Amino acid sequence: DAKTTQPNSMESNEEEPVHLPCNHSTISGTDYIHWYRQLPSQGPEYVIHGLTSNVNNRMASLAIAEDRKSSTLILHRATLRDAAVYYCILRLRNSGNTPLVFGKGTRLSVIA
Amino acid sequence: EAQVTQNPRYLITVTGKKLTVTCSQNMNHEYMSWYRQDPGLGLRQIYYSMNVEVTDKGDVPEGYKVSRKEKRNFPLILESPSPNQTSLYFCASSPGLVGDTQYFGPGTRLTVL
Repeated sequence: DAKTTQPNSMESNEEEPVHLPCNHSTISGTDYIHWYRQLPSQGPEYVIHGLTSNVNNRMASLAIAEDRKSSTLILHRATLRDAAVYYCILRLRNSGNTPLVFGKGTRLSVIA
Repeated sequence: EAQVTQNPRYLITVTGKKLTVTCSQNMNHEYMSWYRQDPGLGLRQIYYSMNVEVTDKGDVPEGYKVSRKEKRNFPLILESPSPNQTSLYFCASSPGLVGDTQYFGPGTRLTVL
């Protein structure tokens, strides 16, 4: 899997939008961009994934740069329950049989 | 509710005493795997299984065994635990070839004294 780079930590106020960046300059044309998060004392949780177009689901939005060398996970209104470590991972489509390679991720703190 | 369950959630044991951590999923997923998470090292895959009776080594299989006799269960066995196996363990499942999202269990914190 290609490498991703994320800031170590970010901070947000409650009910404000949060933009979590991820750089993946060596991404290949067949790599999907996945985001997982890990809340304190819990297992990782799938958030969203995309290939080229921006994606929205009930948890978040994913904005992908036109050259695909970077992406941004957007939480539209951060809540205290969104405080977690967020991981950006590149994966080939249908690579469910290979391990997810988690980097260090971004630790998001949400301030009330 | 679709979920992956693990038991026990917490375990303290002594060196050499065989133990089993159970993992079960109710989503009829083909693929299951075990990870361990250690500070500074992230999540590393121990073993995985693509279907019943099919298992294979991940990145850090030494000291562990697994079995997949039924589709829903994938126990992790430590025949002779050692202190370097003190870690946080996660079981995960996914549909496999036709789907990519992995669903993780809540974790088992193991301490080997």
